Amino acid sequence: AQRVTQPEKLLSVFKGAPVELKCNYSYSGSPELFWYVQYSRQRLQLLLRHISRESIKGFTADLNKGETSFHLKKPFAQEEDSAMYYCALIGGGYQKVTFGIGTKLQVIP
Amino acid sequence: DTGVSQDPRHKITKRGQNVTFRCDPISEHNRLYWYRQTLGQGPEFLTYFQNEAQLEKSRLLSDRFSAERPKGSFSTLEIQRTEQGDSAMYLCASSLVDSSYNEQFFGPGTRLTVL
Repeated sequence: AQRVTQPEKLLSVFKGAPVELKCNYSYSGSPELFWYVQYSRQRLQLLLRHISRESIKGFTADLNKGETSFHLKKPFAQEEDSAMYYCALIGGGYQKVTFGIGTKLQVIP
Repeated sequence: DTGVSQDPRHKITKRGQNVTFRCDPISEHNRLYWYRQTLGQGPEFLTYFQNEAQLEKSRLLSDRFSAERPKGSFSTLEIQRTEQGDSAMYLCASSLVDSSYNEQFFGPGTRLTVL
């Protein structure tokens, strides 16, 4: 079975502070990991995926297979980063996406 | 707007009634997915189609739920004999088949309230 764990429902940081949203997964094979974001009153959208090894809006995430983690990081939080962030996994070539429960990021001005 | 669209956006119904939701994917996308999201939870996979074929169904999809994608374009999700526990946001997503590209594009969702 595949599982995604996001231990924090809410993370509050001050503007300019570093951000780390935690994600751990459980999957026996080689998963594809994603971060999705949902801004207020907008639809869910892809932020980044591990295979691209890209930085989007200053966010990066590194897949650590030893720790089965895919934490999302940004060095300096901005107010516009306030949103719900969901870590997600696709495993085994199937298209079923397993989402975590989400972390609400609140950036305090 | 060329994104995924869903109709209706909101639906209030009484327990025991049947409801049907529609999803129109991005036109060239051949995969279509349905998810359910309850308060405080992430989206939960329900089912997905590749073209008109329904390839996977979650155990969450009880006998009261049925989904179709008759011509490989739009899809409908029907819930028969609704229960209060069916109250949730129902999300549709679509994607293009590509072995190296798994981005799913989500619609705005249909919020169902069962009284």
